[in-house]
Amino acid sequence: DIQMTQSPASLSASLGETVTIECLASEDIYSNLAWYQQKPGKSPQLLIYYANSLNDGVPSRFSGSGSGTQYSLKINSLQSEDVSIYFCQQNYDSPRTFGGGTKLELK
Amino acid sequence: QVQLKESGPGLVQPSQTLSLTCTVSGFSLTSYHVSWVRQPPGKGLEWMGVIWTGGSTAYNSLLKSRLSISRDISKSQVFLKMNSLQTEDTATYYCARDRNLGVPFDYWGQGVMVTVSS
Repeated sequence: DIQMTQSPASLSASLGETVTIECLASEDIYSNLAWYQQKPGKSPQLLIYYANSLNDGVPSRFSGSGSGTQYSLKINSLQSEDVSIYFCQQNYDSPRTFGGGTKLELK
Repeated sequence: QVQLKESGPGLVQPSQTLSLTCTVSGFSLTSYHVSWVRQPPGKGLEWMGVIWTGGSTAYNSLLKSRLSISRDISKSQVFLKMNSLQTEDTATYYCARDRNLGVPFDYWGQGVMVTVSS
């Protein structure tokens, strides 16, 4: 199975700040990488697919990048509603595997 | 619009069988696959298995011996059954709309919390 290692596990940032979350795959996943946002008590919501494509309705302050085994999610100008847990997921091979999650809090 | 909704018992006794239903609307089970994903409290996400548009299934190898996924197309329902439950199976269980490898899960149900306890 492809292992997804996400960092950091938790992150504290101020409103308006830019934050970056990293995801490392154990092998090349050829940009088949998605990012999800999970707010407390809610199901995951798709933010980004194919490493850098924004899902419909997702604010443009979110962006994704990366290739091969290394990927990142960037949030510009952090807003209060961005407080969530973020997960990466590889969709290159079965079983689909997720990163361990990054809990983003406000400082 | 596309919706998925899980239902099932909130409490299951150890060694018993879990039965969950995912009722979908806004799309056909013959056009989209449906996957099950679970999340233990405070932990990450684990893909459990999928039922494909043609009715065949695939399972996470760690759960394969205990897990069964089926469907009723006429009722737009997908079923999950997992036997020999243990406390570590306590989790929120989600169903999600799935397409093929390369495409992420674009819609998820609200989830159902299942506690395994005597």
